[in-house]
Amino acid sequence: QKEVEQNSGPLSVPEGAIASLNCTYSDRVSQSFFWYRQYSGKSPELIMSIYSNGDKEDGRFTAQLNKASQYVSLLIRDSQPSDSATYLCAAQFSGTYKYIFGTGTRLKVLA
Amino acid sequence: DTAVSQTPKYLVTQMGNDKSIKCEQNLGHDTMYWYKQDSKKFLKIMFSYNNKELIINETVPNRFSPKSPDKAHLNLHINSLELGDSAVYFCASSQGAGWADTQYFGPGTRLTVL
Repeated sequence: QKEVEQNSGPLSVPEGAIASLNCTYSDRVSQSFFWYRQYSGKSPELIMSIYSNGDKEDGRFTAQLNKASQYVSLLIRDSQPSDSATYLCAAQFSGTYKYIFGTGTRLKVLA
Repeated sequence: DTAVSQTPKYLVTQMGNDKSIKCEQNLGHDTMYWYKQDSKKFLKIMFSYNNKELIINETVPNRFSPKSPDKAHLNLHINSLELGDSAVYFCASSQGAGWADTQYFGPGTRLTVL
């Protein structure tokens, strides 16, 4: 069974801190990984995608991929209350290239 | 300028009824998807079409039938609705169906079956 796992949280961090969100996946062949943010009652919106081992930075967001250990993480620097949302990790699996989503981590940034 | 749109936004209906949800994308993408998000926020793929051809067909009751009249549209018809069908249904699209094809989601349709 191909799976993506995330801690459901909530993860609470104070405003201005670094929020660290983690995700593990089961398929060694997976090559593409995505982080989506979903506000309550809204649709998922893409934050970042990552395909190569290492770090990828975009503004306050950094995605980290370690294929050997099969995990991908998202760091949010200088967290703001507006970052409070559920963060969904998705891995694209071999064969049909479909996305498998984790159950999401709820992040709360406390003002 | 909505990229992926869905209608209706809310759908409340009785058990046993038949209903449809429509999706349209104006991004020029070749691939479209239907996802179901349950009350625990778990987002699960149901179907995918690439150039009007069904390429992903997950283990979904055959009461659910997708239809893609053209690349820009993907509809979902549900027969004999059951309480367990209550969820938010998201349509999504991507340029293609390969590695690294980013999916963009519509606003969702909240279906409530009474």
